[in-house]
This record gives sequence, structure tokens and C-alpha cells, in this order.
Amino acid sequence: QKEVEQNSGPLSVPEGAIASLNCTYSDRGSQSFFWYRQYSGKSPELIMSIYSNGDKEDGRFTAQLNKASQYVSLLIRDSQPSDSATYLCAAGLGGYNKLIFGAGTRLAVHP
Amino acid sequence: GAVVSQHPSRVICKSGTSVKIECRSLDFQATTMFWYRQFPKQSLMLMATSNEGSKATYEQGVEKDKFLINHASLTLSTLTVTSAHPEDSSFYICSARLQGINEKLFFGSGTQLSVL
Repeated sequence: QKEVEQNSGPLSVPEGAIASLNCTYSDRGSQSFFWYRQYSGKSPELIMSIYSNGDKEDGRFTAQLNKASQYVSLLIRDSQPSDSATYLCAAGLGGYNKLIFGAGTRLAVHP
Repeated sequence: GAVVSQHPSRVICKSGTSVKIECRSLDFQATTMFWYRQFPKQSLMLMATSNEGSKATYEQGVEKDKFLINHASLTLSTLTVTSAHPEDSSFYICSARLQGINEKLFFGSGTQLSVL
């Protein structure tokens, strides 16, 4: 079982809609979770981090964490074509708190 | 935000040669740096955790003799791909972490390695 799992997509949504991205993790010891956005051929850039159960909002982005279900999600409101990218979920693991990434979900926002 | 410089951005080499990739934290000291590899349309796979002044910790399945990591200072880590083969062709990305805080994890721009 992979440590961090995501649906590879593509997830296609119309401009202005809400995009919902999901992620599950296997290690109950993980305490920190992150969402990154990656454009093709570029390095990932951090969008959100979340540590506690519940929701965390930042602008158009809302991260949700449910530790009992080992589930993390990212909602993007008012999706824009510029949001089209691959979204990577990551969990902090181990003594070095290393980041383990999921396979990523490709999001396509069409006008 | 903090800057991590990775060099070179692209390298093409012949099979059997060695390639060195540098990762520098330009405006902060990074006790820990991470090296990832990413194949096309796949996620970042952690290769190793590099700690300044000590041996790197490699992930399962990563050959330590093939992927040599040196973290000689708080601002520089290097990854050397020894005797590269076509299957080593990939996008290699380093990241440097400030003060052990994952929110302060900054990525280099990546190195696209193509082995002919």
C-alpha cells in the first residue's frame, strides 16, 4: 500500500466551479499534511498546510483533514484556467519528518 | 521567500559517465536537504535525506553507491549520479528545509537528466 494515495485524474471542471481534490494516507503517525501545485517541468509550490482536524481556509483554497479517516482534501473555489496543474498531496513522516508525496491529481479548468 | 538554487537545470550525458547536481540554499542554513526523483507524469519519489556533516539516509530501493550524496556545509548538498544509464534519465529535485519546519521547505528548480 502506498503511503499517500491520490486519484491521478484528470479532474476536469468548468471555470468558476469548485474543484475537489482528495488524498488518503496510511501512516497514523503522520502529523502534518501539505498540498502543493506543480506545473509541468517545474518544481512544486506550497499552497496549504494543515495539522489539525477540520477545515483551514486561505483565499479560494480550503484544506480539510480527518485523521480518523486518514483523509485530506483540497477545495478550490471559483476555479480559474490558471489553476490547471497537478496537485500533490504530501504527508510528513518519520523521525526526519520527511515529506512523502502522493502521485498527484491533474486538474484541468476549462473556460 | 527563501531561495534554493539547483544547478545544472539540464544535462545530457553519455551512458557510463557521472553527473553531479548541486543544491544551494542561498539565504538560509539548511541542516536537512532532501533529494527527489520524478519520472514523467509520476510523483516525486524521495531518494534520500541529507544531513549536514553526516551520512545521507537513503530510501528503500535507492542504491547509495550509485547516487552519492554529500552535504558538506549548511548551504550545499550535492547528488552525484555515478555511471549513469538511460534508465537514470529523470527530473531530479532537491529541497532544503529551514529549522526542521516543513512549511519552510523550499524546492530547487530541478535538473532534467538525459542519459544517451
